[in-house]
Amino acid sequence: DAGVIQSPRHEVTEMGQEVTLRCKLISGHNSLFWYRQTMMRGLELLIYFNNNVPIDDSGMPEDRFSAKMPNASFSTLKIQPSEPRDSAVYFCASSLAGGVRTSGRTDTQYFGPGTRLTVL
Amino acid sequence: KQEVTQIPAALSVPEGENLVLNCSFTDSAIYNLQWFRQDPGKGLTSLLLIQSSQREQTSGRLNASLDKSSGRSTLYIAASQPGDSATYLCAVIVSQAGTALIFGKGTTLSVSS
Repeated sequence: DAGVIQSPRHEVTEMGQEVTLRCKLISGHNSLFWYRQTMMRGLELLIYFNNNVPIDDSGMPEDRFSAKMPNASFSTLKIQPSEPRDSAVYFCASSLAGGVRTSGRTDTQYFGPGTRLTVL
Repeated sequence: KQEVTQIPAALSVPEGENLVLNCSFTDSAIYNLQWFRQDPGKGLTSLLLIQSSQREQTSGRLNASLDKSSGRSTLYIAASQPGDSATYLCAVIVSQAGTALIFGKGTTLSVSS
């Protein structure tokens, strides 16, 4: 299994530009999470989906951020327009079950390698 | 609002030493707790997951304990090795309905040979 795949791994852009981050879930997983990591705030949840449906987007900073799951295995996180304060590492994670009672390691979230975004 | 705190923020030990990393959370109504490892420039790797009904989990040289009533978890690493050098993050899920992880800021461990 290839694990969670994210692209690009690094992105450098100028303020005001649109940025699109991509994530491919582990096959068979039905929950998808987008997190952002900064030195100041650590890891924070932005949004998560269960079975392609957004469940909680309260962590999305503002309307400039949007996320979609066009199919069960793929997601995008878009920032438009980007600002320097959006610079961070963005992680995508997937799990086998979201919001459902499970046992053992079924709830484990598997993280992608992250996208390091720099907005100049 | 659930807050997760990890102390210390950084720790340096010589190879072979046993060590304990601490994690505390403010709301004891958690669904489960996970310990992750993060290497520089890399993603997170799940180490151990403890369900709220469990008190500990073990994997190799790692042992994680959970005391919900006191809002604490510890990660015990036995016979530390230089390869254990990384940042260790603790995270909780606060309810069965919501599966988003709330993270601490991590403890950066350095094991010298």
